[in-house]
Amino acid sequence: SQTIHQWPATLVQPVGSPLSLECTVEGTSNPNLYWYRQAAGRGLQLLFYSVGIGQISSEVPQNLSASRPQDRQFILSSKKLLLSDSGFYLCAYTTDTQYFGPGTRLTVL
Amino acid sequence: GQQLNQSPQSMFIQEGEDVSMNCTSSSIFNTWLWYEQDPGEGPVLLIALYKAGELTSNGRLTAQFGITRKDSFLNISASIPSDVGIYFCAGHTGNQFYFGTGTSLTVIP
Repeated sequence: SQTIHQWPATLVQPVGSPLSLECTVEGTSNPNLYWYRQAAGRGLQLLFYSVGIGQISSEVPQNLSASRPQDRQFILSSKKLLLSDSGFYLCAYTTDTQYFGPGTRLTVL
Repeated sequence: GQQLNQSPQSMFIQEGEDVSMNCTSSSIFNTWLWYEQDPGEGPVLLIALYKAGELTSNGRLTAQFGITRKDSFLNISASIPSDVGIYFCAGHTGNQFYFGTGTSLTVIP
């Protein structure tokens, strides 16, 4: 069966610190992978998506970046976090339809 | 990115009542999806619709893919307290998914 993992589950980071969030998928090959940010329990904002290893499409210009070093691994990064980067980050994969991970709650102080 | 028009924004209902919510779009979609999200968790897929006019049930949930491919509705029959949460619609075309703003459901025992 297919599963999707995200870690960490929660993260508190100071402004200006780096960020690395990881997402991995099991039980499927060559999925499309997505990073979303959700504010206040509503409004999913697409940040990045990937259709294959090393292929990243950015939807929103910002200080975040994404990488896909392996087929089933998707990483969201930042060199210097801003206060506005706080939010709930969701990874998703697509086979026949889209499935979400459990999310990472990021608080930037 | 594009957001779908989802209504109502919130609902407060008595246990046992039926619930209806809908989404509309100015664009045509190939797939309509409905998710439910609990606080602090990732959205969980409830129903996926792949063909215009398709009517699909999942237990007490029923959803339909509008014949124009620009709308979808979700019905919940005989609501119970555990139905509480935020319900999202999503439309899929190409590699992109577009989400509604969510319907917050509160069920009063």
